Amino acid sequence: GAGVSQTPSNKVTEKGKYVELRCDPISGHTALYWYRQSLGQGPEFLIYFQGTGAADDSGLPNDRFFAVRPEGSVSTLKIQRTERGDSAVYLCASSLGPGQKLFFGSGTQLSVL
Amino acid sequence: EDKVVQSPLSLVVHEGDTVTLNCSYEVTNFRSLLWYKQEKKAPTFLFMLTSSGIEKKSGRLSSILDKKELFSILNITATQTGDSAVYLCAAPVSYYGGSQGNLIFGKGTKLSVKP
Repeated sequence: GAGVSQTPSNKVTEKGKYVELRCDPISGHTALYWYRQSLGQGPEFLIYFQGTGAADDSGLPNDRFFAVRPEGSVSTLKIQRTERGDSAVYLCASSLGPGQKLFFGSGTQLSVL
Repeated sequence: EDKVVQSPLSLVVHEGDTVTLNCSYEVTNFRSLLWYKQEKKAPTFLFMLTSSGIEKKSGRLSSILDKKELFSILNITATQTGDSAVYLCAAPVSYYGGSQGNLIFGKGTKLSVKP
């Protein structure tokens, strides 16, 4: 596609529920990144994929968070047993490769009630 | 620990004013510094700076890097209401063997331009 696409744009869920957030990167971009942005803060790194594999997942806050990219294109960020503190904008970015300019999607606003 | 610090955190100006946004950094094996503009949710790329003293310019926006003093500034001249946004400064985190491109961001400067 023309840009990085994220769905849904907004997600409201209840505490304890499971959610999946989807990212469709720019075609041909091998590197894919997930960030989380809380109000008044800059984006914080969660996980980086090079191709199908998670090259660095050091930013995932705990084992409730998991992400996959099974075919090296679309990625899904999965959050189990959501907590109110998970409420944030989840941003996805892609690039041609490591060290190249990142292109961001419009994010998913997650609200956990 | 690597960090990027931006100042001010917020700024209110009137159309036509010139503004300077600041970004200081402490990054191991520094390679580059990037500026992004965030209007709604998606940060959009403005500049990437790798060399000291060389100004990057795009219309009314310009930016420069000082690798000795570890900072960068973003200037916007003749501001317009459409310049209202959060401006983010970021640097790639380096790992052994090179950069993965993962960025560490500052908190951003929220710029509001009043008519």
